[in-house]
Amino acid sequence: RKEVEQDPGPFNVPEGATVAFNCTYSNSASQSFFWYRQDCRKEPKLLMSVYSSGNEDGRFTAQLNRASQYISLLIRDSKLSDSATYLCVVNLRNQGGKLIFGQGTELSVKP
Amino acid sequence: EAGVVQSPRYKIIEKKQPVAFWCNPISGHNTLYWYRQNLGQGPELLIRYENEEAVDDSQLPKDRFSAERLKGVDSTLKIQPAELGDSAVYLCASSSSLAGAMETQYFGPGTRLLVL
Repeated sequence: RKEVEQDPGPFNVPEGATVAFNCTYSNSASQSFFWYRQDCRKEPKLLMSVYSSGNEDGRFTAQLNRASQYISLLIRDSKLSDSATYLCVVNLRNQGGKLIFGQGTELSVKP
Repeated sequence: EAGVVQSPRYKIIEKKQPVAFWCNPISGHNTLYWYRQNLGQGPELLIRYENEEAVDDSQLPKDRFSAERLKGVDSTLKIQPAELGDSAVYLCASSSSLAGAMETQYFGPGTRLLVL
């Protein structure tokens, strides 16, 4: 079993749609949680951190459920520019910043 | 501020040949990471440096891979000899905290390696 598993993609949605990505992690020592965005043939870039209380950044909302070891990302009012691969990432406690990446979920927003 | 710099951006070699990748982290970042990303997968950590010390190389295939970070700044990752399965994108990242746990990792553009 992979340490971080994401919804298999791709997700094809029209502009303006709301889309949700789900992610589960298996290591209970996971300490910090993130969503990274990776454009085609580009490097991953941090989209947002995920906090237990849930957090929002504009059209993006991230949620964490530690009991269920589950992370989500909600994108409202999708834009064409949101098309990318979204990577769920966890950081393991006491392993000095080692990031474990999910396989990514590809999003394609169509006009 | 300049980001993480990597070179070359692309490399095509025949199997059994050696290859080397270079990374220059963001100025002042003491932690440096090498990741490998296979097609359709997320990046996987190969090695992490804190300054010039390799503090986590548990996932580096040491029979053919080697890395160094002399003087705690630039780093090179070498494969010798390369195998077909080494075709991937090799990403370098850096962060500013020795603890590393909560500091953002900034990635370079990567080197795309194709082994024929």
